[in-house]
Amino acid sequence: SQKIEQNSEALNIQEGKTATLTCNYTNYSPAYLQWYRQDPGRGPVFLLLIRENEKEKRKERLKVTFDTTLKQSLFHITASQPADSATYLCALGSARQLTFGSGTQLTVLP
Amino acid sequence: EPEVTQTPSHQVTQMGQEVILRCVPISNHLYFYWYRQILGQKVEFLVSFYNNEISEKSEIFDDQFSVERPDGSNFTLKIRSTKLEDSAMYFCARKPGLAVDEQFFGPGTRLTVL
Repeated sequence: SQKIEQNSEALNIQEGKTATLTCNYTNYSPAYLQWYRQDPGRGPVFLLLIRENEKEKRKERLKVTFDTTLKQSLFHITASQPADSATYLCALGSARQLTFGSGTQLTVLP
Repeated sequence: EPEVTQTPSHQVTQMGQEVILRCVPISNHLYFYWYRQILGQKVEFLVSFYNNEISEKSEIFDDQFSVERPDGSNFTLKIRSTKLEDSAMYFCARKPGLAVDEQFFGPGTRLTVL
């Protein structure tokens, strides 16, 4: 069956460091992979999308990599700030739906 | 891009009652989705709706659920006979167009079934 794993339910890092979150999947051939941010009691907020034929995508302090051979995506936040503290969700996509991982709760300590 | 709005923000109902959750898009989009998130669990896909028809639905979306766009603007999710396990956050999402894959989520409706 299809499975998405985001290792580390929780990740604590010091302000200014780079946070690296991992998303692994099995039994999937996604057309693209997306990362979302979710704050408590709020809806997911879209951050970045990377397609199966792309290796890396950047947006400001965010970077996503996508390795379809390893079936893995890495999500990096450089120069992290306490305001980056949230749950980060990986989602695999097709035209008709998104399938989400369970998320990694990131806490950036001042 | 602006989000969709959802009403109500919180709905409390008795088991067995019908509830209607509403999603109001900011502009006239064709692609809509409903997801739910049980407290402490992952966001789960329920149904996608394109051009006023169901495009795809998950195993969760059984006969007690229905979606429609009754007046061409609001997009509703109806749960016919609520169960305790339907208690969750329900999110509406939209996709601006065929060539755009990212989805934009509303703030959600918290449904509590007593």
